[in-house]
Amino acid sequence: EAGVVQSPRYKIIEKKQPVAFWCNPISGHNTLYWYLQNLGQGPELLIRYENEEAVDDSQLPKDRFSAERLKGVDSTLKIQPAELGDSAVYLCASSAKAGTSGSNEQFFGPGTRLTVL
Amino acid sequence: QKEVEQDPGPLSVPEGAIVSLNCTYSNSAFQYFMWYRQYSRKGPELLMYTYSSGNKEDGRFTAQVDKSSKYISLFIRDSQPSDSATYLCAMIKNTGTASKLTFGTGTRLQVTL
Repeated sequence: EAGVVQSPRYKIIEKKQPVAFWCNPISGHNTLYWYLQNLGQGPELLIRYENEEAVDDSQLPKDRFSAERLKGVDSTLKIQPAELGDSAVYLCASSAKAGTSGSNEQFFGPGTRLTVL
Repeated sequence: QKEVEQDPGPLSVPEGAIVSLNCTYSNSAFQYFMWYRQYSRKGPELLMYTYSSGNKEDGRFTAQVDKSSKYISLFIRDSQPSDSATYLCAMIKNTGTASKLTFGTGTRLQVTL
């Protein structure tokens, strides 16, 4: 079974440019998460989707960040315009519908490493 | 102050050593406790999870939770070079619904030959 797929794996852009990241979760997983991981830090949640609904986006900087999950499967995270401080790894994770596993295990993709110059 | 504190290391041990990794937390609402392993340029992968206080063993790995002290540990016995990675503790305040994981900063572990 394929894991969480993310693309691109690496992205280098100039500041003020737009950038988009794509995530394909594990088949059948209804919950999708986007995390931000700065160097030497743990992941921090940006947004969580239940199917196509964003149910927790309190940590998403909405002035420049946006996300969508059309049809409740793939998701895209966009930054426009990018700033120097956005350089980080953007991780996508998915989990089965709540209640099907005691730990509600989140499976992570490999991440997209963004460098803003 | 962060809700979850973890020593970033790096921690360097010889092959075969017993490794102890620890996290402290401040919010008593945390109920589920996880340990994730993250290899360089990879996403985190779940190693172990425990509910409330107690121990859980899986092969060379033992997770321990002491809710009275707000302290969790991961022990690795007979450490191997392949264990070299960053270990992240993570916690959830409730379960039954998809809930927010709060991570520590991660401890970088290097197991040398």
